[in-house]
Amino acid sequence: GENVEQHPSTLSVQEGDSAVIKCTYSDSASNYFPWYKQELGKGPQLIIDIRSNVGEKKDQRIAVTLNKTAKHFSLHITETQPEDSAVYFCAASISLSSNTGKLIFGQGTTLQVKP
Amino acid sequence: EPEVTQTPSHQVTQMGQEVILRCVPISNHLYFYWYRQILGQKVEFLVSFYNNEISEKSEIFDDQFSVERPDGSNFTLKIRSTKLEDSAMYFCASSLRTGLLSYGYTFGSGTRLTVV
Repeated sequence: GENVEQHPSTLSVQEGDSAVIKCTYSDSASNYFPWYKQELGKGPQLIIDIRSNVGEKKDQRIAVTLNKTAKHFSLHITETQPEDSAVYFCAASISLSSNTGKLIFGQGTTLQVKP
Repeated sequence: EPEVTQTPSHQVTQMGQEVILRCVPISNHLYFYWYRQILGQKVEFLVSFYNNEISEKSEIFDDQFSVERPDGSNFTLKIRSTKLEDSAMYFCASSLRTGLLSYGYTFGSGTRLTVV
């Protein structure tokens, strides 16, 4: 079935360094790839997304790349700050029909940014 | 910014009891979802709802679960007879479009369900 694998499970970086989180997906029909940030006790918050017709997208310090051939996508955070510390989830969505669009989530990465 | 609102934030219930988790999605959204997250694990899809009917459900979403959109604004998840393993954080989400046309899914803050 559909599956999304995410690595690493934990990531610790010094403030100002870059952080990279990688995900692979199993179903080549996936066409929408969001990244969520989850802080303790809160729901996932969308931080950036990319669609299968685009290879890269950037929003200030956050960027996402997509390699459809290899079926993997990555989140890049530059100039990390302590407030970036959270759990990050990647997800993939298949929308073969117009009425589903469920998200399959990766296992999550706990990012710790040390001051 | 529009929000998805979930109530209650925390629900404790006895095993075997029925619970109803409530959600108010963003008003112009068309697709509605329930997900759950067992402590320390990934977020899992339960069910999607579009055009007043279930469009897809996971293996987790068995006969004990049901969803309803009773009045055009609320979206509820009912668990008829709760089990200990139903203890989890339940998230409601909504979106305007899906797939390539998607503008993202907005999640609520969740309801922590504890079955004792």
